[in-house]
Amino acid sequence: DVKVTQSSRYLVKRTGEKVFLECVQDMDHENMFWYRQDPGLGLRLIYFSYDVKMKEKGDIPEGYSVSREKKERFSLILESASTNQTSMYLCASSLEGWASTDTQYFGPGTRLTVL
Amino acid sequence: GQNIDQPTEMTATEGAIVQINCTYQTSGFNGLFWYQQHAGEAPTFLSYNVLDGLEEKGRFSSFLSRSKGYSYLLLKELQMKDSASYLCAVRDSNYQLIWGAGTKLIIKP
Repeated sequence: DVKVTQSSRYLVKRTGEKVFLECVQDMDHENMFWYRQDPGLGLRLIYFSYDVKMKEKGDIPEGYSVSREKKERFSLILESASTNQTSMYLCASSLEGWASTDTQYFGPGTRLTVL
Repeated sequence: GQNIDQPTEMTATEGAIVQINCTYQTSGFNGLFWYQQHAGEAPTFLSYNVLDGLEEKGRFSSFLSRSKGYSYLLLKELQMKDSASYLCAVRDSNYQLIWGAGTKLIIKP
């Protein structure tokens, strides 16, 4: 079974802090994704990566950056956390390329609260 | 713009059948996905449609009409454990997933 893990389930930070969210997958997947999920809205893509050291902006990259130094690990960084970044953050991975049937596998999520 | 519409919430009775609709307007189409998400948990894959018609998988079926921009997820013999949110997502011409806000399904005994 594919396993995607995230470093924290719950996180509370203060405005202006630098925040690191870590995601690790154990199935040698090429693609990794960071989403945020807010009530009443669909999942919104922040960044994704299709290879080590490669990254692409998603729909809402402002205020975020990412790092992918190793294939299995994809980190989301909030350079200076703000209250409007309070959200559920979901990491996902998928096998390779853009095959039509390529399914995304999700981690359990990190609920971040910025005070 | 790109848009996925689903009902916000639905209620059904244990043992019954429920149909959750999804309509979409996207720039291109490369498949439609349904995911299930229990409260506080990660979304998990349920089904994938790329051609018109019905895909059946046990108690769950998913239907697609590309000409109408429409899909539904059909859940039969409902069980209490089916209480969850159901997310519809469409892969657009750039192979990016566009997600609906999800339908919260409440099952009553």
